[in-house]
Amino acid sequence: QSVLTQPPSASGTPGQRVTISCSGSSSNIGTNSVNWYQQLPGTAPKLLIYSNNQRPSGVPDRFSGSKSGASASLAISGLQSEDEADYYCAGWDDSLNGLVFGGGTKLTVL
Amino acid sequence: QLQVQESGPGLVKPSETLSLTCSVSGGSISSSSYYWGWIRQPPGKGLEWIGSIFYSGNTYYNPSLKSRVTISVDTSKNQFSVRLSSVTAADTAVYYCARHAAASTNWFDPWGQGTLVSVSS
Repeated sequence: QSVLTQPPSASGTPGQRVTISCSGSSSNIGTNSVNWYQQLPGTAPKLLIYSNNQRPSGVPDRFSGSKSGASASLAISGLQSEDEADYYCAGWDDSLNGLVFGGGTKLTVL
Repeated sequence: QLQVQESGPGLVKPSETLSLTCSVSGGSISSSSYYWGWIRQPPGKGLEWIGSIFYSGNTYYNPSLKSRVTISVDTSKNQFSVRLSSVTAADTAVYYCARHAAASTNWFDPWGQGTLVSVSS
């Protein structure tokens, strides 16, 4: 059972906008920043969004992050087939005194 | 650009100690801005942070693994390592190393390609 809760799956058709949620608590998302990682099949995770809503260089602006209270969201607009991957949220938890990951969301492009 | 690469045995016997090394290239492990971390992923499962180290040797660990984990750094070789003792089948996973921005943001980037470690007799 992950401290950060994500839906196990999400799906959309090409061109659609999809969102993936990440629910936490006051000791993690409510207090600390959230980061998102994309893991394409058979590859290592890649930083997608940091500090809630910042995109590293090279990440398309189709990807955006937001945070409100103890929840965060990743939005992907103009969905493409190459976006099919697992997505993980992560952040520091003050109560656990450790870094925690969400359980991951498998995004399928129909 | 900065790259990290894991290395070590792919098979460890139960009750023994898993040891992996991460080599950093394209930058110095002695940067004052970053920690260096280990993350693992059991087959078909999610990500779990193991721990992180600063070039000075300051470490912090996942509380659930703290009793079995030791992370060390060798600045002369631009490497850092992880040792996990008393392993069981539950420690079978792909182990990743990554640069860790540990201040207030706590992101990992870049990641190594990962190395699969199987625990089996």
